[in-house]
Amino acid sequence: EIVLTQSPGTLSLSPGERATLSCRASQSVSSSYLAWYQQKPGQAPRLLIYGASSRATGIPDRFSGSGSGTDFTLTISRLEPEDFAVYYCQQYGSSPSFFGQGTKLEIK
Amino acid sequence: EVQLVESGGGLVQPGGSLRLSCAASGFTVSSNYMSWVRQAPGKGLEWVSVIYSGGSTYYADSVKGRFTISRDNSKNTLYLQMNSLRAEDTAVYYCAREATYQPEALFDYWGQGTLVTVSS
Repeated sequence: EIVLTQSPGTLSLSPGERATLSCRASQSVSSSYLAWYQQKPGQAPRLLIYGASSRATGIPDRFSGSGSGTDFTLTISRLEPEDFAVYYCQQYGSSPSFFGQGTKLEIK
Repeated sequence: EVQLVESGGGLVQPGGSLRLSCAASGFTVSSNYMSWVRQAPGKGLEWVSVIYSGGSTYYADSVKGRFTISRDNSKNTLYLQMNSLRAEDTAVYYCAREATYQPEALFDYWGQGTLVTVSS
């Protein structure tokens, strides 16, 4: 079982600032099968990034993913008001699949 | 347009049963891998179960032997039969479609979720 640890737990930033979210795996994630999801209150998660760095359909280019092995990063270049949400990383490629505990991005 | 609509959640006593449904439109359930993912109140996401296009199924250890995933091809609907429910099964349950032509368990479409509360 791969354990994904996200940091920080909460990130307080202002619109226009740059956000950097981290996801660390307990063992190497094969073939960079690492995804990021965004979840707003009362809504289902939305796929943002897959394959560690590929944006899903319709995702703005201010969202970018990077990393390999055990260390992955989601970067939001310039925060828009609608970006404040909870972000989860996920290791996929086989079942069971595991998610990180989430990072809450809140308005400062 | 792909849509997933869950139903069937509610309040149930410990030890009771509930069946969740997920009606799909815009694609064929039987041609895709389909999963259930749950989220306890204020907590993170937990994968629960998958049914492959060929019909094989797989479960998280936490629900194995108690939950059964199935589908009705004629209704294009996914189900989750939950028996012997426990307080720790309390969660919003989402059905999710796994992305086509991608490795397993990458979820590109999600339903809005249905709340299951297990309490006496």
